[in-house]
Amino acid sequence: QQPVQSPQAVILREGEDAVINCSSSKALYSVHWYRQKHGEAPIFLMILLKGGEQKGHDKISASFNEKKQQSSLYLTASQLSYSGTYFCGTEISNNAGNMLTFGGGTRLMVKP
Amino acid sequence: DAGITQSPRHKVTETGTPVTLRCHQTENHRYMYWYRQDPGHGLRLIHYSYGVKDTDKGEVSDGYSVSRSKTEDFLLTLESATSSQTSVYFCAISGGAVGQPQHFGDGTRLSIL
Repeated sequence: QQPVQSPQAVILREGEDAVINCSSSKALYSVHWYRQKHGEAPIFLMILLKGGEQKGHDKISASFNEKKQQSSLYLTASQLSYSGTYFCGTEISNNAGNMLTFGGGTRLMVKP
Repeated sequence: DAGITQSPRHKVTETGTPVTLRCHQTENHRYMYWYRQDPGHGLRLIHYSYGVKDTDKGEVSDGYSVSRSKTEDFLLTLESATSSQTSVYFCAISGGAVGQPQHFGDGTRLSIL
């Protein structure tokens, strides 16, 4: 079953913050986050592993609540380059094939 | 950037014709995946491979077949294309089992008229 992402879309001004949520009904081993710009391939951002620490680089970070099977992506002081569609991909436990199930995406637009 | 090449990048064909898409990697990764991406559906897994000649079905495998005769190549075949298979197809690779990132190719835009 596909994880649910919220919000579906968000518009920001440069410098504002945003939070994107990803929720699953299944027990998860990890959550992956990707960003895709129009007409391009999805680009890997980070992985949150069960039992692992919160990840982040630059002004983008994420957390993983194992009990609630939820992950959140935090974009701080957004830049124009952050615009795109963000996808979470969830990996269930004992998944030998490293298969991911992706959410429907959150479209983020950052305006000057 | 991960060395992943998809070909062709664009293709227009007619209903009922066979179509083969190729994914070539230079990373020597064990796992390879085919996804389709449609508006409102995100990325959906078609088939994946966990080694040479080892493949398995994903969420939306009906109407598709795959083959992997070499580590570097993963082929996706539509035996008899239908208009519902018009989509953008992405190949991805992964170096390990659980907890490893997937890296995507640039995609193939396929239109079936």
